[in-house]
Amino acid sequence: EDQVTQSPEALRLQEGESSSLNCSYTVSGLRGLFWYRQDPGKGPEFLFTLYSAGEEKEKERLKATLTKKESFLHITAPKPEDSATYLCAVQASGSWGKLQFGAGTQVVVTP
Amino acid sequence: DAGVIQSPRHEVTEMGQEVTLRCKPISGHNSLFWYRQTMMRGLELLIYFNNNVPIDDSGMPEDRFSAKMPNASFSTLKIQPSEPRDSAVYFCASSLDRAISTNEAFFGQGTRLTVV
Repeated sequence: EDQVTQSPEALRLQEGESSSLNCSYTVSGLRGLFWYRQDPGKGPEFLFTLYSAGEEKEKERLKATLTKKESFLHITAPKPEDSATYLCAVQASGSWGKLQFGAGTQVVVTP
Repeated sequence: DAGVIQSPRHEVTEMGQEVTLRCKPISGHNSLFWYRQTMMRGLELLIYFNNNVPIDDSGMPEDRFSAKMPNASFSTLKIQPSEPRDSAVYFCASSLDRAISTNEAFFGQGTRLTVV
């Protein structure tokens, strides 16, 4: 069975204090690994898709990396507006687009 | 495009009543997903459709839950009869899924259901 485990559950950062979130996964053939951001009261918002080990993608202060067993979301010099819950999800081969989500990491960035 | 549109945004109903949640996916997307989110269980996939056909409904918790997609621009999730443990935020998402590649799923704003 596909499994996604995110750590830590919560992270409190000072503005400018860089850190990384972890997403460990087991899947029967990875078709894609997705990172989403979710703000309170809203639906998840797409950030990145990673397809193969060694791949990296960046968007503003966020950088996602992928290995065969885990993915990291690096937040560089975060700002208060980066506060959100970050969700990781995997899509297995032959799954017709089905996503298996982790529980998320709640990030709070204080000024 | 206005994105995935869900209605209603909030629903409060009494136990035993029928509840219908609605979703309009992004035009041109061929996959549609219904998720449920709770503090205890996170985001759970209930059912998903590809080209209007239900592909996997193994996440539907009980026979009280049913979903339909009569055409490419509309889907419903129905709970009958509703119970307090059904209280959650229900999300609809859509994506363009192709055999040789995958596209990200876009989520609606969700429907917060409270069953009292």
